[in-house]
Order: sequence, then structure tokens, then C-alpha cells
Amino acid sequence: QKEVEQDPGPLSVPEGAIVSLNCTYSNSAFQYFMWYRQYSRKGPELLMYTYSSGNKEDGRFTAQVDKSSKYISLFIRDSQPSDSATYLCAMINTNAGKSTFGDGTTLTVKP
Amino acid sequence: DTGVSQNPRHKITKRGQNVTFRCDPISEHNRLYWYRQTLGQGPEFLTYFQNEAQLEKSRLLSDRFSAERPKGSFSTLEIQRTEQGDSAMYLCASSPRPPGDTEAFFGQGTRLTVV
Repeated sequence: QKEVEQDPGPLSVPEGAIVSLNCTYSNSAFQYFMWYRQYSRKGPELLMYTYSSGNKEDGRFTAQVDKSSKYISLFIRDSQPSDSATYLCAMINTNAGKSTFGDGTTLTVKP
Repeated sequence: DTGVSQNPRHKITKRGQNVTFRCDPISEHNRLYWYRQTLGQGPEFLTYFQNEAQLEKSRLLSDRFSAERPKGSFSTLEIQRTEQGDSAMYLCASSPRPPGDTEAFFGQGTRLTVV
């Protein structure tokens, strides 16, 4: 079993929809939780990171962490065609230094 | 250009050949990471450096793989006797000293195809 499981998708939504992307994890030592966006044939780009349980908002993006359930989410409001990409969740046990990634969810936002 | 730079962007090689990739991190970023990503999967950790010291290596990094970061600046990843299973995107990332690990900046990757 992988330490980080991500809803596989693919996900297709109309422009303007609210998108919910989700990951679960099993390692309670994970302390930082990140969301990356990856366009085709490009490197991942960090969108947001959070440390504590709760919500963190940045523009149209909201990251949510529930450490008690070992569950994280990324919400995208008013989705745009330019949001079409693969979204990767990642987690760090800072003692280990490295990030553990989910396998990504591919999102398509249709005009 | 102040981002993470990787060269080459694409590499096609015959099975059994050696290949070397280069990563130039963001200036003054102490940590440098190598990941491997195959189609439909998330990046998998290979190794990372704190300055010139290699602090951790994944068990994915067989003895055919070697990484260096001389002088704590650029890094190279060499694969000897390449196999078809080595075909993947090799990603490099850099970050400031902890607790900035979360602010990892990725390069565009080197796509390796072994034929």
C-alpha cells in the first residue's frame, strides 16, 4: 500500500465549476502538505502548502488538511480552462527531508 | 533565468549505454533533490543533497545510478548500462535550507528514452 493515495481521476468539469481534489495518507509523521500543478511535459509547480489542520486560501484555491482523518483536499473555485493540468499532492516528514507524492489527478476544464 | 535548469531536456539512448544529466539549482538553494517520474505516476524520490553532502538515497537508486554535487552547486545524475526500465522523466528540484523544504522548485525535467 502506498503512503499517499490520490483520487485517480481523470476529472472533467465545465468552466466555472468547483473542483475538489483529494488525497489520503497513512504516515502520521507527515507534517507538511503540498499541492503541485503539472502541465504536460513540464515540471511540477508548487501551488500551496499547509502545515496544520484547517483551511488555507489563496485566490481561487483552498487547501484543506484534516490530520485526524489523514485526509487533504484542494478546492478550485470558478475553474478555468487554464486550470487543466495534473494536480499532485505531496507530503513531507521533515525528518526525512524528501517529499512523497500521490500519483496525480488529471483535470480538464471545458469552456 | 533564476529557475532550476536541467539539461538535456530529452535524451534517447541505446540500451547498455551510459547517460549523464545535469541540474543547475536556484542560486543559494542549499538542498537539491532528484526524482523520477513515469507516465501516470507521481514523482518518486531518488536522492538529495544538502550542499555537497548526499544525505539520503532511495532504494530505487541501484548501483547503476550515481549522483554528485561537487562544490554544492550544480548536480549530475549518471545512469550506467541503461535499461529500458530506466525510461522516465528525471526531475531535479531545489529548496532553501529547512524549514523551506516545502518551497521546492522543480526544473522542467530530462526525459530519457532507452531503446
